[in-house]
Amino acid sequence: GDSVTQMEGPVTLSEEAFLTINCTYTATGYPSLFWYVQYPGEGLQLLLKATKADDKGSNKGFEATYRKETTSFHLEKGSVQVSDSAVYFCALARGGYNKLIFGAGTRLAVHP
Amino acid sequence: NAGVTQTPKFRVLKTGQSMTLLCAQDMNHEYMYWYRQDPGMGLRLIHYSVGEGTTAKGEVPDGYNVSRLKKQNFLLGLESAAPSQTSVYFCASGRTGGGNGNEQFFGPGTRLTVL
Repeated sequence: GDSVTQMEGPVTLSEEAFLTINCTYTATGYPSLFWYVQYPGEGLQLLLKATKADDKGSNKGFEATYRKETTSFHLEKGSVQVSDSAVYFCALARGGYNKLIFGAGTRLAVHP
Repeated sequence: NAGVTQTPKFRVLKTGQSMTLLCAQDMNHEYMYWYRQDPGMGLRLIHYSVGEGTTAKGEVPDGYNVSRLKKQNFLLGLESAAPSQTSVYFCASGRTGGGNGNEQFFGPGTRLTVL
């Protein structure tokens, strides 16, 4: 079945460091790919998405490129801030009705 | 515009008790979903609805029932709670069309503990 695998956390960085969170997926066909973010005590919110191969999603300085050849959708940011501390979820949707399959989540802690 | 709201925010149950979680959205979305979030497992889909009066099973439906009597509301019921149902429950909604690329909008969650 379809699945999403994320790098385990927590990831701890200093402010202004470069961030990469790895995400790979297993799915037949052409899923849409998403990164959702969960700030402490809140629900999830969409960070960025890509709906076809080679698309790049971007938002708030974060980027991810849909790589079908490596079945990956790695999240990157050039310079993280303390306010980026959160849990990041990679997810895919396939097969209708936008049902999401999530990775386990990666907790990011950014220190001043 | 409140988005997606959930009640209650917290609840403690004893094994065997029943309860209903309420989700409401004011965005006129057709699709609604219930997920549970457990440590190290991300979110898993329990049930979903593609319109008023419809429901369907997700990945982990056992022990739960749902109803969508009104378009804006999606109820999740636990008939006989078990400790394995201790979790954080999230409701989400989304619009139709756009293939599988549409955003889902999440509520703030309900933290349920079953003793």
